[in-house]
Amino acid sequence: DAKTTQPPSMDCAEGRAANLPCNHSTISGNEYVYWYRQIHSQGPQYIIHGLKNNETNEMASLIITEDRKSSTLILPHATLRDTAVYYCIVSANAGKSTFGDGTTLTVKP
Amino acid sequence: NAGVTQTPKFQVLKTGQSMTLQCAQDMNHEYMSWYRQDPGMGLRLIHYSVGAGITDQGEVPNGYNVSRSTTEDFPLRLLSAAPSQTSVYFCATTSWGGRGNEQFFGPGTRLTVL
Repeated sequence: DAKTTQPPSMDCAEGRAANLPCNHSTISGNEYVYWYRQIHSQGPQYIIHGLKNNETNEMASLIITEDRKSSTLILPHATLRDTAVYYCIVSANAGKSTFGDGTTLTVKP
Repeated sequence: NAGVTQTPKFQVLKTGQSMTLQCAQDMNHEYMSWYRQDPGMGLRLIHYSVGAGITDQGEVPNGYNVSRSTTEDFPLRLLSAAPSQTSVYFCATTSWGGRGNEQFFGPGTRLTVL
């Protein structure tokens, strides 16, 4: 799996958009970009994934650059409940994922 | 549907003891994985299985055994517990092939080895 680089921490004001970046410059053509989050010590929760195109679901949007070397997860209207550790994973096989240390997002009132 | 269940939720072992962490899923997913998470760190893959009767090693397999006799169950065995195995253990499943599919995680087992 390609290695990812994420900032260790970020803050966001409640109600504002949270933009979480991820670099994956060694990504291969068959590797997807996945985002998960982990609240407290619960099991990670899937957010979104994509291959080439930008993706949107009820939780978030995923923007992947044209060269696929980086991506951004966007939480459009962050709430206090979005405070969590966010993991960006690049993998050709979802069941064999390598989790880095992620980004701790703190949403502040 | 229960999704992914793990038992026990908490466990304390003494060095040298053995035990089995249980993982069960009712989603009929072929792919199952075991991860460990040490404090302040991300998850690391221990073992995984692509279907009944098929298992393989992940990033940190030493000290652990797995087997997969049914689609539903994927137990993780600690052969001789060591303090370095103190961690939170998560089981996860994903649908066939694992490509472009989300993983579903269990709630975790918090293991302390004294």
